[in-house]
Amino acid sequence: DADVTQTPRNRITKTGKRIMLECSQTKGHDRMYWYRQDPGLGLRLIYYSFDVKDINKGEISDGYSVSRQAQAKFSLSLESAIPNQTALYFCATSEEGQRSPQHFGDGTRLSIL
Amino acid sequence: AQTVTQSQPEMSVQEAETVTLSCTYDTSESDYYLFWYKQPPSRQMILVIRQEAYKQQNATENRFSVNFQKAAKSFSLKISDSQLGDAAMYFCAYRSSPGGSNYKLTFGKGTLLTVNP
Repeated sequence: DADVTQTPRNRITKTGKRIMLECSQTKGHDRMYWYRQDPGLGLRLIYYSFDVKDINKGEISDGYSVSRQAQAKFSLSLESAIPNQTALYFCATSEEGQRSPQHFGDGTRLSIL
Repeated sequence: AQTVTQSQPEMSVQEAETVTLSCTYDTSESDYYLFWYKQPPSRQMILVIRQEAYKQQNATENRFSVNFQKAAKSFSLKISDSQLGDAAMYFCAYRSSPGGSNYKLTFGKGTLLTVNP
């Protein structure tokens, strides 16, 4: 089983719909992150969480919200989806240590029509 | 804010040959971490190699090695004996040390590597 699991893997929806992307991890990491990937732009940070009570905005948080339901679960919501939120979304986790890399899920491809 | 630049949108290499992917970054920090991630068509993000800025020795992982030039702010990835499975998008990424923006990976825009048989 994957250490970082994202659901759904793919989603097509309509403008104005509320969407939730879910992420769960079995790595026991405290830190979790949500990124979006757009062609030609690399990955950009949306939100990050250092523990259940610590949630912070990243560089492109407008239009998104998150919930850290437990150490292992971190969900991303689009309250009212718009077409320019069409992207590949990644969840990642890491330990607190300096050298700890981030470990990524397999991504959710979201298309908003 | 830190920036990461990958100047080669696409590269190609013959199977069994060596290829070098370029990455430069801009920072005022003295302590930081650098990473190369690989994204194959399956779209997973796979850590290839990492380098601590305080280490002068270049990191190596099997066929993958880096050329880290701190003064030049350059962090290139060399793939030796290229294999078909190396075909992927490669991302260079920067992370501050604690005290800076250490939560965040700053990514370059990626280099698409094609391996020709």
